[in-house]
Amino acid sequence: KAGVTQTPRYLIKTRGQQVTLSCSPISGHRSVSWYQQTPGQGLQFLFEYFSETQRNKGNFPGRFSGRQFSNSRSEMNVSTLELGDSALYLCASINSGSGAGELFFGEGSRLTVL
Amino acid sequence: SQQGEEDPQALSIQEGENATMNCSYKTSINNLQWYRQNSGRGLVHLILIRSNEREKHSGRLRVTLDTSKKSSSLLITASRAADTASYFCATASFSGGYNKLIFGAGTRLAVHP
Repeated sequence: KAGVTQTPRYLIKTRGQQVTLSCSPISGHRSVSWYQQTPGQGLQFLFEYFSETQRNKGNFPGRFSGRQFSNSRSEMNVSTLELGDSALYLCASINSGSGAGELFFGEGSRLTVL
Repeated sequence: SQQGEEDPQALSIQEGENATMNCSYKTSINNLQWYRQNSGRGLVHLILIRSNEREKHSGRLRVTLDTSKKSSSLLITASRAADTASYFCATASFSGGYNKLIFGAGTRLAVHP
């Protein structure tokens, strides 16, 4: 069974640009969560999607958005990039609709904003 | 916001020694999970302990949960250099019809050969 796949693995952008990151969950998993990880702030929850609906959102500005498609694949978008958006963005899927089980993480997308 | 707080923030030990990491949380939980992260990689699930369980083992890992103190500990016995990683606790709390998982800040473990 393939794991969680995130693309791209590495990318470099400049301030003001936008970026789209993609996450393909494990087959059969309907819930996808996104996290931002930085050395200073640690692991911060961005949002969670379940069956194409955002059901939980972290404390991030509106520049951060996401969506989930009918095949459970998810994308997140960051517009008007700032230097502080440089981070490892992690996606995780879970096979439990109740969210009570373990998360399966991808390897992350490392974003550098110059 | 982070519910779990790991202690210590960093831990340095020699191979063969045991490593103990602690996690405290604030609200009632359904379960508590421990994850491991190698530098720059994704997190890997280690073990899940439910709120009605007090202790759980998996290989060299032992997790305890004290819901009265709202705390958990992860013990790695006979550590190896390959155990060097960051370890995170995450609490699952039921709210709004489903469980929300919140991660702590993590403990960085360094195991020296």
